[in-house]
Amino acid sequence: AQKITQTQPGMFVQEKEAVTLDCTYDTSDPSYGLFWYKQPSSGEMIFLIYQGSYDQQNATEGRYSLNFQKARKSANLVISASQLGDSAMYFCAMRELYNQGGKLIFGQGTELSVKP
Amino acid sequence: GAVVSQHPSRVICKSGTSVKIECRSLDFQATTMFWYRQFPKQSLMLMATSNEGSKATYEQGVEKDKFLINHASLTLSTLTVTSAHPEDSSFYICSARESVNTEAFFGQGTRLTVV
Repeated sequence: AQKITQTQPGMFVQEKEAVTLDCTYDTSDPSYGLFWYKQPSSGEMIFLIYQGSYDQQNATEGRYSLNFQKARKSANLVISASQLGDSAMYFCAMRELYNQGGKLIFGQGTELSVKP
Repeated sequence: GAVVSQHPSRVICKSGTSVKIECRSLDFQATTMFWYRQFPKQSLMLMATSNEGSKATYEQGVEKDKFLINHASLTLSTLTVTSAHPEDSSFYICSARESVNTEAFFGQGTRLTVV
């Protein structure tokens, strides 16, 4: 069974608009972490934001915020005021503390294109 | 953030030869390193987990005799693709962490082309 699911293979957004990238997950581990990474065409993995399963508030990092809905098992990434440089692949990932020994498992990814 | 250096960034090798990829943690001791493989426009697929001083744990479907992983020190892990074939052409990327509770940092990745 897929543990991390990103259902949007590709997304388009107008420059300066906000965009939401979807991510749902499945785990029975009470302690887990959710990550979002950006991967430009160069291939490097750029860490964007982290949400712990016990965190009470949604994580925010500059223009990035994570809409964490624990009961629905979703961890959507919101990018505000999109910029042309935001065009890239975006991956959601989960780390389970007990079930998988802390391995980072990735979703399928969403390719975001920002239009001028 | 911590720095993980992966080398080489690109390599082209002939079919049947072996190629070694290095992953180094430059400013922390990496007790665990992970190796991923990524085909174009696809996700990162975990190949194996290596802990310093012990044998790597391979994911299901990954041939351990083909993808040799060595994690001999707290700052270096290597992935050797043995008897490479064109279907092994891919993007390989490592990540390293100090402990199970700390963040894992990624190397820059290696684009392998087997001709």
